[in-house]
Order: sequence, then structure tokens, then C-alpha cells
Amino acid sequence: KNEVEQSPQNLTAQEGEFITINCSYSVGISALHWLQQHPGGGIVSLFMLSSGKKKHGRLIATINIQEKHSSLHITASHPRDSAVYICAVHPADSNYQLIWGAGTKLIIKP
Amino acid sequence: IAGITQAPTSQILAAGRRMTLRCTQDMRHNAMYWYRQDLGLGLRLIHYSNTAGTTGKGEVPDGYSVSRANTDDFPLTLASAVPSQTSVYFCASSNQAGVGDTQYFGPGTRLTVL
Repeated sequence: KNEVEQSPQNLTAQEGEFITINCSYSVGISALHWLQQHPGGGIVSLFMLSSGKKKHGRLIATINIQEKHSSLHITASHPRDSAVYICAVHPADSNYQLIWGAGTKLIIKP
Repeated sequence: IAGITQAPTSQILAAGRRMTLRCTQDMRHNAMYWYRQDLGLGLRLIHYSNTAGTTGKGEVPDGYSVSRANTDDFPLTLASAVPSQTSVYFCASSNQAGVGDTQYFGPGTRLTVL
């Protein structure tokens, strides 16, 4: 069993739909990251969370430390949101290493 | 230069050849990282450096070496490439290596070993 699991692996939706991507992890963590990888390959950090909720534009990230679960939501989705969304956790017992999920490939159709 | 750059963008390499992937950042970040990305496996850490002059092994270090002679540069060398090293390689940096610091990624190098 992977230490960081994302669901779904693939998601196709229509423009305007509300999107939820989930991340579950099995280790104690000090922080969780959400990143976006564009079709061209570039990787951009979206959020870093250690508790609660963060919002940036149409993106919302939440984390429940007790349940070891985080969600990334996209409101009013747009084709330009099409990308791979990656969850990564910073283990509580590590100074440097991140444990990475395999990513969720999101396609938003016009 | 703005941010983090990698070279080459892509490379096809014969097995057994030596190859160095270059990574340069201009953000004066202390920590730098090399990852490989393979389909379905997510990013895997190869080597890292917490500060200039120090390096450490990540999850999949075998067949790779790194050096960190200065703050800006963190080259990754494949001494004798093998087909299983075919992958996309990403270099990243962060201000510190500590908890929760945001990592900034280079554009990646697509390497094919035949």
C-alpha cells in the first residue's frame, strides 16, 4: 500500500463543474503540499497545509489531520484547469524528504 | 535567469554513455533536489543537498551522483547510463530543507537511454 494515495486517478468533467480530488496518507505529517503539473510538464506549487483550509482564487485545499486526508477543490472549472494534480506529504520524522502521490489527471471539457 | 533552469531539455543517449544533467537556480535557495518521474509512480527523490558543499541520498540514488560546489548549481551525473534510467528528471529548490518549505521546480529534462 502506498503511503500517499490519490483518488481518482483520472477525472473528466464539463466546464463549470465543481471538482474534488482526494489525498489520503498513512504516516504522521508536518505538512501537505498540493502541486499542479501542466500538460507541458512544468510543476507549480499550489498550496502548503498543516491544518484547516486555504483558498486561492477558484482553488480550495482542506486537510483533516486526524483522518489523514486532504482534498483539493476547484470551483467553476475551466479547460485551462486541465492538468495533473499531485499531493505530497512532509513526514513528521523527516527533515527533507517528501512522499509523493502518483497524481490525478484532470481533463475539463468545454 | 529567473527561477530554476535545466539543460538539456531532452536527450537521447546510448547505454553505457556518461551524461550530466545541469540545474541552476538564481533564487539563492539553500536546498536543491533531483527527482525522476515515471508514469504511474509519481516523483521519486534521487539526491538532495541541504546547503552548498553537502549532498545526501534520496529514495533511488543508485546509478546517479551529484555535487554542490556552490549555491546555484546542482548537476546530476549518470556515470554509465542504462535503459531503466529513461525518465523525466526534475530539479527543484527550496529556501530551506526544513518542514513545509515550498519547492520550486525546473522545466524538466526528458532522457531516453537506448
